[in-house]
Amino acid sequence: AQSVSQHNHHVILSEAASLELGCNYSYGGTVNLFWYVQYPGQHLQLLLKYFSGDPLVKGIKGFEAEFIKSKFSFNLRKPSVQWSDTAEYFCAVKDTDKLIFGTGTRLQVFP
Amino acid sequence: DAEITQSPRHKITETGRQVTLACHQTWNHNNMFWYRQDLGHGLRLIHYSYGVQDTNKGEVSDGYSVSRSNTEDLPLTLESAASSQTSVYFCASAGQANEQFFGPGTRLTVL
Repeated sequence: AQSVSQHNHHVILSEAASLELGCNYSYGGTVNLFWYVQYPGQHLQLLLKYFSGDPLVKGIKGFEAEFIKSKFSFNLRKPSVQWSDTAEYFCAVKDTDKLIFGTGTRLQVFP
Repeated sequence: DAEITQSPRHKITETGRQVTLACHQTWNHNNMFWYRQDLGHGLRLIHYSYGVQDTNKGEVSDGYSVSRSNTEDLPLTLESAASSQTSVYFCASAGQANEQFFGPGTRLTVL
């Protein structure tokens, strides 16, 4: 079965800093990959997803992610974070019709 | 607008009691899921269903059960609540594209 690793458990940044959150999945073939965000006290919302095609995926709120098949990675990036990006971020991979989630990365952005 | 709702939003119960958490979606999705979210573990799949009368065990199904008598609802039952089941519970549903839509969550405390 698939598994997902998010190596950054807690990231602290100042506003305007660049962000990259790591995500690695366990094995290849055709993969569907997702990044979800959970703002404090809220439910998970989809940031972006990759099914096929262009490996550089644009999402909402200025986020993007790059699928690198050779590295089994799907890292999330944002060139300039804002205080409002403070949240928990989850990477997920589809396994049959289920999603397997990573343990999440907590991002804190200070003004 | 289609949505997914959960009730109650907060619940305090005692060890040994039976508890049922409701999940209702108006997306007309066949696939529905229950997760629990705990610090350091991310989201873990409890049970899932691919359609009416279909239920499947997830990663952490012990002590939980679900039933699917219609498309819209997937109630989660804790047969005999334990303190280890104190958690935040999220329901999700997914259509053909496997993008999961999450409910607002239920915070359950077992004393």
